[in-house]
Amino acid sequence: GESVGLHLPTLSVQEGDNSIINCAYSNSASDYFIWYKQESGKGPQFIIDIRSNMDKRQGQRVTVLLNKTVKHLSLQIAATQPGDSAVYFCAETWGANDYKLSFGAGTTVTVRA
Amino acid sequence: KAGVTQTPRYLIKTRGQQVTLSCSPISGHRSVSWYQQTPGQGLQFLFEYFSETQRNKGNFPGRFSGRQFSNSRSEMNVSTLELGDSALYLCASRGTIGTDTQYFGPGTRLTVL
Repeated sequence: GESVGLHLPTLSVQEGDNSIINCAYSNSASDYFIWYKQESGKGPQFIIDIRSNMDKRQGQRVTVLLNKTVKHLSLQIAATQPGDSAVYFCAETWGANDYKLSFGAGTTVTVRA
Repeated sequence: KAGVTQTPRYLIKTRGQQVTLSCSPISGHRSVSWYQQTPGQGLQFLFEYFSETQRNKGNFPGRFSGRQFSNSRSEMNVSTLELGDSALYLCASRGTIGTDTQYFGPGTRLTVL
């Protein structure tokens, strides 16, 4: 079978390395996915999104991959920086008129200098 | 453009009291959603309002209610507070139904004693 990444609650990364954060989503009917970053004392900050008709989308230093076959989402951060230290959440929803984001448990990323 | 604003940022109440939280969405945004964030349950959807109408509701008791005004500002009310209601309450806004990107405010930290 296909190998997918395991969701880890914490991730420690060396500054300058690439980070990969994994998320397993729950609803096969979900058609829109978002990655958020939350720093201590702040609300979630939008990073990147992807629709179910795509399998990859790139932003500035970030790439989101979607595997609908195994209901898996990943966020790749290139050249991780100290400012990337935060909790990262994936969220899913379905249907523009039934919009209620369902969030994953989150992964705490710590960047080592 | 100013982001989503929430007031107050911090609140301390005692059991049995009621509380009202306020949210001002991004200018031009007509949809406002509310979420509860706790260490144990993570981020959970409460409800969404669009054009002063509740469009979606999460699985919370009737003690949690909300409303939206004609200027899109929204309030959330929790009656008969319980210790378990202590949480970060987040408000998020998006443009219109069919516009998926949702932006969060900084949250209101509610502590129930």
